[in-house]
Amino acid sequence: GAVVSQHPSWVICKSGTSVKIECRSLDFQATTMFWYRQFPKQSLMLMATSNEGSKATYEQGVEKDKFLINHASLTLSTLTVTSAHPEDSSFYICSARDPSQGGGNQPQHFGDGTRLSIL
Amino acid sequence: SQQGEEDPQALSIQEGENATMNCSYKTSINNLQWYRQNSGRGLVHLILIRSNEREKHSGRLRVTLDTSKKSSSLLITASRAADTASYFCATSKTSYDKVIFGPGTSLSVIP
Repeated sequence: GAVVSQHPSWVICKSGTSVKIECRSLDFQATTMFWYRQFPKQSLMLMATSNEGSKATYEQGVEKDKFLINHASLTLSTLTVTSAHPEDSSFYICSARDPSQGGGNQPQHFGDGTRLSIL
Repeated sequence: SQQGEEDPQALSIQEGENATMNCSYKTSINNLQWYRQNSGRGLVHLILIRSNEREKHSGRLRVTLDTSKKSSSLLITASRAADTASYFCATSKTSYDKVIFGPGTSLSVIP
């Protein structure tokens, strides 16, 4: 089945640094990927839709200059948390649909997430 | 927000019992999906039900959808300790649209 790989799975860094998270579709091409954020014991909150070859679409309230998204190829999207601060600490998860599975109404395939801890 | 609520927020049952989780949403949808998340992990897709469907089965899972009430339920029959996880419903307005998640239900199955 379709697999989405996310890297790294865990990162700890100092406040003020930038952190890049990668999301790869391993056995399918994804023109669209989604980035979510999840706080402990809460649901997933959609941050942005990553579009291959064009600008990402950010949800209301998400700072695009803070969370930089690049979708340079059909199998890779990256999320860069710039000048990270402790409040950015969270669980970040990406997902993608496999268009080869047919028309719409396909499930999303999720990466295993990245736990980001900013000291 | 497109998504409404899920209830219960937390559910604890004995192994072998059935578990029922409910989900409500606010706007019209194209499909509704249920996902499972083990602690600290990504999400696993369980089942997708289209807006023109009323019920769907997959193994021990049974999902219903009532578009008139804008609600769905997930039934897990003969629960097992391994079913312990958080369960989320998620909706899309169109077949290719982004997916918005509900708050989730934390299920604990006691051996």
